[in-house]
Amino acid sequence: DQQVKQNSPSLSVQEGRISILNCDYTNSMFDYFLWYKKYPAEGPTFLISISSIKDKNEDGRFTVFLNKSAKHLSLHIVPSQPGDSAVYFCAAMEYGNKLVFGAGTILRVKS
Amino acid sequence: DTGVSQDPRHKITKRGQNVTFRCDPISEHNRLYWYRQTLGQGPEFLTYFQNEAQLEKSRLLSDRFSAERPKGSFSTLEIQRTEQGDSAMYLCASSLETGLSGANVLTFGAGSRLTVL
Repeated sequence: DQQVKQNSPSLSVQEGRISILNCDYTNSMFDYFLWYKKYPAEGPTFLISISSIKDKNEDGRFTVFLNKSAKHLSLHIVPSQPGDSAVYFCAAMEYGNKLVFGAGTILRVKS
Repeated sequence: DTGVSQDPRHKITKRGQNVTFRCDPISEHNRLYWYRQTLGQGPEFLTYFQNEAQLEKSRLLSDRFSAERPKGSFSTLEIQRTEQGDSAMYLCASSLETGLSGANVLTFGAGSRLTVL
């Protein structure tokens, strides 16, 4: 049973525009959510996180929004740059525990 | 510190052979995780250690799989009698668990890709 779902396998965006990556989860016990970015031949690298008690966290061009009632979160990248092209994984964590990952979304930013 | 190191990066083996992967975590990290990733999927949790103690194992970890972290530093993941379904990227990650609140951010290595023929 997939507890974290990323329903869009891929997304294509023009450079300078906004990229919105979505993620849904089923386990209400998750207390942190993280986004990781992965380039080919590299391991996933941490991008940004949000606590379940918040609804927004911002870091430069990256903002994560959390809607607990809908069990939905999204990652906004503004403005998108060609170097942002990668696979983005949404991950969720129960207290002090392992990460549960979604299947990932391939983002392509066209110049 | 060079981050999380994994060796070998690639391994091709014949079905039925045993393989072993090694992970060297970030030195001050007390937690070490193994994940497996197949094409088109996200990383799937296999097991994790806090120091030398193995605290949790996924049901994905059949009895052909064994992981150790003998001195609380590096870890090995061994797969015995490999099957074609074991072909995947095996990712190691480490983190510093302080017991305080906050996201437990895992730092991943580049992975060890296994191909079973």
